[in-house]
Amino acid sequence: GQNIDQPTEMTATEGAIVQINCTYQTSGFNGLFWYQQHAGEAPTFLSYNVLDGLEEKGRFSSFLSRSKGYSYLLLKELQMKDSASYLCAPRDSGAGSYQLTFGKGTKLSVIP
Amino acid sequence: AAGVIQSPRHLIKEKRETATLKCYPIPRHDTVYWYQQGPGQDPQFLISFYEKMQSDKGSIPDRFSAQQFSDYHSELNMSSLELGDSALYFCASSGGQGRFSGANVLTFGAGSRLTVL
Repeated sequence: GQNIDQPTEMTATEGAIVQINCTYQTSGFNGLFWYQQHAGEAPTFLSYNVLDGLEEKGRFSSFLSRSKGYSYLLLKELQMKDSASYLCAPRDSGAGSYQLTFGKGTKLSVIP
Repeated sequence: AAGVIQSPRHLIKEKRETATLKCYPIPRHDTVYWYQQGPGQDPQFLISFYEKMQSDKGSIPDRFSAQQFSDYHSELNMSSLELGDSALYFCASSGGQGRFSGANVLTFGAGSRLTVL
């Protein structure tokens, strides 16, 4: 099994930078995903990390430290449309399972 | 580009009734997943299929069953519905990176909202 820990809620100002942290424990590790989910809509893929370090993709970057069981999602130049839940999802390859399990998500509110 | 298609988008049922949700994955994707998301909750993994065979099982109740057909579409069957089954049900598909590659990105459908009265 796995434990995934993220802050429940965060608030940030339009134009600012925000970092959403995620810690996890898995019995086997096969990459970590970040998804964005607006209320009542489907999760959409943001980033994937399998090696340690920073992956940059436009305004969004994601960092991974496998030894620490830690990842963060960095959102720059925040826009109002970034108000959403952000889901951390490590892929646990332990016991032959390759399912993706989501954390409880961080609800980000961007204010003017 | 083709996406994951789910139907119906909305469904209202009475307690103890049966419901069936359908999912059409992205063409050439070999794995289908079903997730349940209650109000204010994270998506909970139910079950997945790889090449039409069940590959992983999560917190799927015994009252639920699922299968993947020869045309790769999948159906989630829910019987003896309870009020607590009211949720958004997402189907996702992935593929193209090899079965055991962690890089297989799940692409989600828009979801089916089930309301049990």
